[in-house]
Amino acid sequence: DTGVSQDPRHKITKRGQNVTFRCDPISEHNRLYWYRQTLGQGPEFLTYFQNEAQLEKSRLLSDRFSAERPKGSFSTLEIQRTEQGDSAMYLCASTDTGELFFGEGSRLTVL
Amino acid sequence: QQPVQSPQAVILREGEDAVINCSSSKALYSVHWYRQKHGEAPVFLMILLKGGEQKGHDKISASFNEKKQQSSLYLTASQLSYSGTYFCGTERASYDKVIFGPGTSLSVIP
Repeated sequence: DTGVSQDPRHKITKRGQNVTFRCDPISEHNRLYWYRQTLGQGPEFLTYFQNEAQLEKSRLLSDRFSAERPKGSFSTLEIQRTEQGDSAMYLCASTDTGELFFGEGSRLTVL
Repeated sequence: QQPVQSPQAVILREGEDAVINCSSSKALYSVHWYRQKHGEAPVFLMILLKGGEQKGHDKISASFNEKKQQSSLYLTASQLSYSGTYFCGTERASYDKVIFGPGTSLSVIP
């Protein structure tokens, strides 16, 4: 088991393009979280899953953001029509007992 | 609602002690503590549950006052490796989302 894996690690895109991030959690971890982090700030909650069920999505998140975990294993986070304000590190974390194991993150830069 | 952390930043010399505080205006089920070094992912330190005891390992320990919805992280005899940003995360119920505070930057200098 190699921990939580995220892909891609870096993404540069132009404003208005769509991007998708993938997260592979630690196997058998039933809960998976997505966070967004900007410089000097704490991780900001985006959404989380219990197996394949999306339990909650942040009210601060626009409809341009969507996440899936189709088979209760890996998850994807899609951002449509990206804006410069979407530039951030997108972190994925998984757990089965409560303590969160974070991936290295996917850094998004929107030009 | 995001928990509040204090202080925002602290600078210590090796061997000194520090306390980082985390508080919430809402009733809490648990408090998590994580450390993040520059350019790396946050790393879990410990969880304190409602009704639980003070926890610790090595020279890092924490307490949770559920009546006041406050937690404190204690770092004793600090080492250079303790440098980083410390985040508390709070859950209002079991299996709830974890909401993180803004972080406390800790720098340990020789």
